[in-house]
Amino acid sequence: ETTVTQSPAFMSATPGDKVNISCKASQDIDDDMNWYQQKPGEAAIFIIQEATTLLPGIPPRFSGSGYGTDFTLTINNIESEDAAYYFCLQHDNFPWTFGQGTKVEIK
Amino acid sequence: EVQLVESGGGLVQPGGSLRLSCAASRFTFSSYWMSWVRQAPGKGLEWVANIKQDGIEKYYVASVRGRFTISRDNAKNSLSLQMNSLRAEDTAVYYCARVVSGTYAGFDYWGQGTLVTVSS
Repeated sequence: ETTVTQSPAFMSATPGDKVNISCKASQDIDDDMNWYQQKPGEAAIFIIQEATTLLPGIPPRFSGSGYGTDFTLTINNIESEDAAYYFCLQHDNFPWTFGQGTKVEIK
Repeated sequence: EVQLVESGGGLVQPGGSLRLSCAASRFTFSSYWMSWVRQAPGKGLEWVANIKQDGIEKYYVASVRGRFTISRDNAKNSLSLQMNSLRAEDTAVYYCARVVSGTYAGFDYWGQGTLVTVSS
């Protein structure tokens, strides 16, 4: 089973900041990493697929990078509407496993 | 827009049973693998089970195998999770999720979840 270690668990940002969230896989998973955003009481939204591909309709301030074991979700010029819980998912091998999640607060 | 709406959650005693449902709409349900994913309080998400389009091929996380059964009714656009022999550690919000088509590469749509609490 692939363990995914996500950090930080919580972060507080100011509008306009650049934010990085990390997910590290315990083994090589190529680019089989997705990123999601979830706001309280709402369904999660798929924002990045295959480590780097931005889904349609997702603002370009979101980007993903990485390959193999180290992956990063970056939010440039963060906005108040980006306050949410973010999590990553590896789908390279079963069982699919998730990072522990990051709660992003906007000051 | 794809819609997934879970129902059936609630409070159940240890050893009890519960059946969750997920009503799917605005897409061709029968064309997709579907899944259940859960999140225990204060914990990360955990994939629980997958079911193929035909309802025959199924996969489970080890901790629920033999206790939970995933099923689907393509005529009713409905996904279910029958949970038996429930334990305190099964307490979680349970999400219905659609698997990315073709590439089988994670989930592309999620429901809002339904809370299951296992407690005496």
